[in-house]
Amino acid sequence: SQQGEEDPQALSIQEGENATMNCSYKTSINNLQWYRQNSGRGLVHLILIRSNEREKHSGRLRVTLDTSKKSSSLLITASRAADTASYFCATVPTGANSKLTFGKGITLSVRP
Amino acid sequence: NAGVTQTPKFQVLKTGQSMTLQCAQDMNHEYMSWYRQDPGMGLRLIHYSVGAGITDQGEVPNGYNVSRSTTEDFPLRLLSAAPSQTSVYFCASSYGTGNFLSLHFGNGTRLTVT
Repeated sequence: SQQGEEDPQALSIQEGENATMNCSYKTSINNLQWYRQNSGRGLVHLILIRSNEREKHSGRLRVTLDTSKKSSSLLITASRAADTASYFCATVPTGANSKLTFGKGITLSVRP
Repeated sequence: NAGVTQTPKFQVLKTGQSMTLQCAQDMNHEYMSWYRQDPGMGLRLIHYSVGAGITDQGEVPNGYNVSRSTTEDFPLRLLSAAPSQTSVYFCASSYGTGNFLSLHFGNGTRLTVT
């Protein structure tokens, strides 16, 4: 069963706007990761945040983690049409034996 | 660097047929895994391996077999295909495991079982 659940399921924004996507999870985690999937392709790792971190940045991406609320958010600033893709959060639960569990994903459309 | 290579890209099987989905990585990653992706279901872990000779079940292992004789290769075998196995299959590898698990994915095999 899915550990992470993303919200919203779909998001449509104008180029240049910021996109915020949320992920909630159920059990305690070692780390949380965000992946991107372009249509017809495999997933690409974007960023990993560990349970003892609260915020990480990578280029136009900012990820936050609130372990007390069991939630994370992914912010893409100044979005581009090329950011159109599905985004997945994935968690490594504590004591997980190396199992990375994915949510169902968010479809982001960036209109030119 | 090819990364993670999956073959074939597309496959159509009849119910009851068997086949092997191939996965190879050239990054010397110890960890390899297979996921299936279905609409509205996200990705679900089928089997994984933390090194040559070691495999373990994921969330949905029934109907699938794996083996890991080398670091590079991790084939997925469908023993007797069923329409419920129609899906897109992804192989993924990682240098680290546990808290250092971070996956590199292949581009998938789209399987249709009629």
